[in-house]
Amino acid sequence: QVQLVQSGAEVKKPGASVKVSCEASGYTFSSYSMSWVRQAPGQGLEWMGWITTYNGETNYAQRLQGRVTMTADTSTNTAYMELRRLRSDDTAVYYCAVGLIVGAFDFDSWGQGTLVTVSS
Amino acid sequence: DIQMTQSPSSLSASVGDRVTITCRASQSITTYLNWYQQKPGKAPKLLIYATSSLQSGVPSRFSGSGSGTDFTLTISSLQPEDFATYSCQQSYTSPPTFGPGTKVDIK
Repeated sequence: QVQLVQSGAEVKKPGASVKVSCEASGYTFSSYSMSWVRQAPGQGLEWMGWITTYNGETNYAQRLQGRVTMTADTSTNTAYMELRRLRSDDTAVYYCAVGLIVGAFDFDSWGQGTLVTVSS
Repeated sequence: DIQMTQSPSSLSASVGDRVTITCRASQSITTYLNWYQQKPGKAPKLLIYATSSLQSGVPSRFSGSGSGTDFTLTISSLQPEDFATYSCQQSYTSPPTFGPGTKVDIK
């Protein structure tokens, strides 16, 4: 069975960086792109970007360009999302998500989420 | 970016009720429309993809319809486990975008 297991909750100060991991199992990691989606408290879902895991090619949401970096380690089947220069409005639950059955943007498998709190 | 809107933003219903949620895209997305169910503290769960195809394991009381810019999610007979937030999402073009969600709670 497909599993995406994310790292634990983080508390960061404004201006700091955070790196969230997502370990995949149950499918061929390098055959599917991994997306990251976040959800601020009480808000809707926001796609942050994706990484083509076999070659590391990335595509980021325009509003996060310059602050976000996504990487993938095919030796450990783990994807990472690093967000820099954190602001209070980056407080959110961050999910990794993958589309295995239909298309890359049809997210049928999700991690459990990682709460990132940005507070001074 | 394609903007997704939903109505209503919330609704109260009873077990056994028929519930309909509407989603609208800011431009045509043909039938590249997905629906997700999310319960508090949990990750979203894909219910319906490509407007009307049920994800494996999803009960047949859930159905979807529409094309172009207007779409509908229907729950034919609401069950206790269906109380949740439902979000639509277009997968037509990058970036994929989500609606703000519709919260279904108990009347």
